[in-house]
Amino acid sequence: DAGITQSPRYKITETGRQVTLMCHQTWSHSYMFWYRQDLGHGLRLIYYSAAADITDKGEVPDGYVVSRSKTENFPLTLESATRSQTSVYFCASSEIGGQDQPQHFGDGTRLSIL
Amino acid sequence: AQTVTQSQPEMSVQEAETVTLSCTYDTSESDYYLFWYKQPPSRQMILVIRQEAYKQQNATENRFSVNFQKAAKSFSLKISDSQLGDAAMYFCAYRSNGNKLVFGAGTILRVKS
Repeated sequence: DAGITQSPRYKITETGRQVTLMCHQTWSHSYMFWYRQDLGHGLRLIYYSAAADITDKGEVPDGYVVSRSKTENFPLTLESATRSQTSVYFCASSEIGGQDQPQHFGDGTRLSIL
Repeated sequence: AQTVTQSQPEMSVQEAETVTLSCTYDTSESDYYLFWYKQPPSRQMILVIRQEAYKQQNATENRFSVNFQKAAKSFSLKISDSQLGDAAMYFCAYRSNGNKLVFGAGTILRVKS
C-alpha cells in the first residue's frame, strides 16, 4: 500500500552517538517534513524539503542534519545525540501546490537518549 | 512568526454529548489554512478537518465542525455526539505559504461512558 513509513519505531541510544531516523514515502510527494513532539510544545518543525536536493531549516534545527538525494526518502540524523533530543519524531509529506494540501504523517519514532 | 495557542490542556465530555476545543492563532497574513489533527494513543496523526481563511462558511465533517472567527483569530472544534473513539490528543495547526505547519500544544480529550 502507498504511504509514509518511518523506521525504527522505537530507538534507545546513548549520548554522543550518531543515530539516523528513516522516512520513506511512496506517493512521490514533493514536500517532506520532520517534526519533534514534546509535552507542552505540540509538534515543532525541525527541517523540511521542497524537493530532492532542497532542504531548509525549521523552528528547531540545531543538532540535526537532513538530506534528500531521492524524492521518496528524507532521513534525519542526530550527529551527536544529547538527552534533550529525547522525543517522538514524526515525518510528514505533502503534494506540491496550494496550502490546502494536507500533510500526511508517518507513525512516529520514539527516541530515547540515555 | 505565527503562533497557535490551545488554552485547554485537558477536556472531558460525556459520551453522546457535545464538546468544543478552543484554538487561537496569531498571524499578519490574510490567506492561510487551519487544521485540526487527532492523535489517538496509537500515535498516528489523523487529519480531522480543515478550513481556508478566505471561506466564510465553517467547515463540517460528519460529527466534527469548526467555528472560524477570522477577525478574532479563533478556530474552535466542535465534536457532536461524542464517542469513546474520539478520546485522543487534538492539535490545532496553522499553515501559510511556506507550506509549513505550526502546531498548538494540544488538548487531551477524555470521553466518559
